[in-house]
Parts: sequence; structure tokens; C-alpha cells
Amino acid sequence: GDSVTQMEGPVTLSEEAFLTINCTYTATGYPSLFWYVQYPGEGLQLLLKATKADDKGSNKGFEATYRKETTSFHLEKGSVQVSDSAVYFCALSSGGYQKVTFGTGTKLQVIP
Amino acid sequence: NAGVTQTPKFQVLKTGQSMTLQCAQDMNHNSMYWYRQDPGMGLRLIYYSASEGTTDKGEVPNGYNVSRLNKREFSLRLESAAPSQTSVYFCASSELGEAETQYFGPGTRLLVL
Repeated sequence: GDSVTQMEGPVTLSEEAFLTINCTYTATGYPSLFWYVQYPGEGLQLLLKATKADDKGSNKGFEATYRKETTSFHLEKGSVQVSDSAVYFCALSSGGYQKVTFGTGTKLQVIP
Repeated sequence: NAGVTQTPKFQVLKTGQSMTLQCAQDMNHNSMYWYRQDPGMGLRLIYYSASEGTTDKGEVPNGYNVSRLNKREFSLRLESAAPSQTSVYFCASSELGEAETQYFGPGTRLLVL
């Protein structure tokens, strides 16, 4: 079945550092890929998405590129802020089934 | 426009007790979902309702029942709570056929002793 593997956290960075959170996936067919973010005490919010190979999703300074050859969708940001501290979930959706498969989440802590 | 709301925010139960988690959305979405979130497990789908009048099992339905009361409301019931059901429960909604763009509620933290 479908699965998503994310790097384990927590990830601790200083403000303005470069961020990469790795994500790889296994899926049948051609899934759509997503990053969701969960701020403390809140539900998940869709951060960005990509629906086909080589697409780049971007939002709020975050980017991720759909790499079919490496089955990856790594999240990057050039300069993180304290307000980016949250848990980030990689996810995929494939087929006609109303289902999104989530990774285990990576906690990011940004310190001033 | 409140989005997705969940009640209660926090609940403590004893083993064997029952309770219902409530969820409502005001975005006129057709599809609604219940997930549980456990450390190291990510989110796992318990049940979903693609549209009013339909419900289907997700990945971990055992020990739970759901009711799609109307288009706005989707409740999750634990008939006989067990410690293994200690978790954070999230409700979400989406447009029909757009499962990838789900809107989540703030969650209910449940502790079963």
C-alpha cells in the first residue's frame, strides 16, 4: 500500500538557517504530494502541494519539488523564522479513494 | 466563519465508559473525516463520509462508530473506551473529490485511564 517516510525530528535550527526536511514515498500510480503544517495547539493546514512529476509547490517561502525518479518531495526554506516552529507532515493522495496517507511528522524548532 | 469546530477540547474517561466526539463545519463541504494522531504514527484515518448519508471505514475503525447527522455534522462515538484509544482526535472536511485539501479542526485530546 501507499506509505510516506519522513526524517525523524526534532530538528532544531537557529533563525535564518536553511531548512530541509526529507520525505520519500511509496505509491501505486501517480500520486499527488503535499506538505501540511501543524502549529502548536492547532489542527493541520495545507502548506503546499504538487500534482505531477517535476512540479514545484511553494507557499510562505517554503518549496518542495515532486521528484518521480527518486520518489521524493523534500521540503526546503532558505531562511527560517521562529514563527516557523511547528510539526510538518508529508502526505500523498492516489487513486479515486478519498484518502490521504500522512507521514509521521517532523517537529521543527527555530531558536532566536 | 468558524471553519471546523470540535467539542470537547479535552476529555478524561475511565475504561469502559462511552462518549461522543462532536464535529461541525460551516464551509458547506460534502466530505468529512475522523483521524487519530499518536506519537510516531502520524495521522491515521478512522472513518470518513464522502457525502451526506454515507460513511466508510478507514485504516483503524475498530472500537469506533460514526454518524453523519447532516451535511454539517459528523460525530465519532466510542462505545466502550480502552486505554489504547488514548490519542488526539482530529476532524476534517473537504470538497467532494478534493481529499487532498482538507481543513482540520483544533483536535480533541482524549485520555482513557
